[in-house]
Amino acid sequence: DQQVKQNSPSLSVQEGRISILNCDYTNSMFDYFLWYKKYPAEGPTFLISISSIKDKNEDGRFTVFLNKSAKHLSLHIVPSQPGDSAVYFCAAVYNNNDMRFGAGTRLTVKP
Amino acid sequence: KAGVTQTPRYLIKTRGQQVTLSCSPISGHRSVSWYQQTPGQGLQFLFEYFSETQRNKGNFPGRFSGRQFSNSRSEMNVSTLELGDSALYLCASSLYKGLVDTEAFFGQGTRLTVV
Repeated sequence: DQQVKQNSPSLSVQEGRISILNCDYTNSMFDYFLWYKKYPAEGPTFLISISSIKDKNEDGRFTVFLNKSAKHLSLHIVPSQPGDSAVYFCAAVYNNNDMRFGAGTRLTVKP
Repeated sequence: KAGVTQTPRYLIKTRGQQVTLSCSPISGHRSVSWYQQTPGQGLQFLFEYFSETQRNKGNFPGRFSGRQFSNSRSEMNVSTLELGDSALYLCASSLYKGLVDTEAFFGQGTRLTVV
């Protein structure tokens, strides 16, 4: 069962513009959310996280927004750079040790 | 500090065979999780081990099993391989009992191809 969904398999943006990646979840027990970035032939690397008690967390060019009532989170990248081109996975954690991932969104940032 | 090490990196097996994949977590990390990545399905959770005990298991058939040793190294085994088992298998380790307050560190994965 897909408890974490990324409905856009791909996204293409122009360098310098904003990239918005979306993620929806169904399990209201999730209390911690993370975004991972994955380059080809590499394992996912941690990007940014947010606790369910917050609605926003910012780290440089990356901001994650959480809307608990809508069970929706998003990752904003501003400004987007060609090096940001990768697959982005949204992940949700509950019970402190069970992490579930979305299917991923392939971001392409065009120069 | 060495990262998460998965061996082998690539593997080709035939249907019906069994396979064992290995994961060495970051030193000091006691939690190890396994994931299967396929195009379209993303990362699917297989199971998680902590201190040699399986704490969580995803929705995979019993052909998928794992274990963790006292040094936190973990193995996963897939028996009676099927073509649909072809995927990238990723292992992740984390420092604390849970994943909250710490991110999971992933290995580069083992690419399994079943022919």
